[in-house]
Amino acid sequence: QQQVKQSPQSLIVQKGGISIINCAYENTAFDYFPWYQQFPGKGPALLIAIRPDVSEKKEGRFTISFNKSAKQFSLHIMDSQPGDSATYFCAAGNDYKLSFGAGTTVTVRA
Amino acid sequence: GAVVSQHPSWVICKSGTSVKIECRSLDFQATTMFWYRQFPKQSLMLMATSNEGSKATYEQGVEKDKFLINHASLTLSTLTVTSAHPEDSSFYICSASPMAGPDNEQFFGPGTRLTVL
Repeated sequence: QQQVKQSPQSLIVQKGGISIINCAYENTAFDYFPWYQQFPGKGPALLIAIRPDVSEKKEGRFTISFNKSAKQFSLHIMDSQPGDSATYFCAAGNDYKLSFGAGTTVTVRA
Repeated sequence: GAVVSQHPSWVICKSGTSVKIECRSLDFQATTMFWYRQFPKQSLMLMATSNEGSKATYEQGVEKDKFLINHASLTLSTLTVTSAHPEDSSFYICSASPMAGPDNEQFFGPGTRLTVL
């Protein structure tokens, strides 16, 4: 039973466009929401993370939007570049564990 | 900072043999280390959580006698796949939570590709 639901499964965006990935959760005990980027054959790399007391966090071209009442959060990748083509995982954490979404494969076309 | 290494990066072994995978936090001490398994085009599945000096906590459905975890120090954890079989072939990834970092923060290693013939 997946505790974090992620969509879409995949998306294609043109270079310079915006990629948007959405995640939803049920467990209100979650208090940490990171996003990871993974390239084929590599381990996930922490991109950006947010706590529930903040509604938005921006780091460079990556922005997390967090809606506590709706139990949803999303990743926006602005000005998408071919190098951003990867699989992105959202996660939610409480205590010391993380529950991962199913992943979204993003393809940025030049 | 926050670099985690794994060794080996890939290994091929015969069915019935045991394989050990090392996970090291290179520039920080880790309160807790985690072991995940990932099948192609799927998400990460947590196998077990380990704290230095204590027994690992395994997730439901993970055989603790098959996947032996030793957490020898604040920078080293090992996963031994005992009597490996082809169905154990997978991508194994460790992660570590810095002692000095925010709660839940995890940094991942590059993964180890295990192929059992």
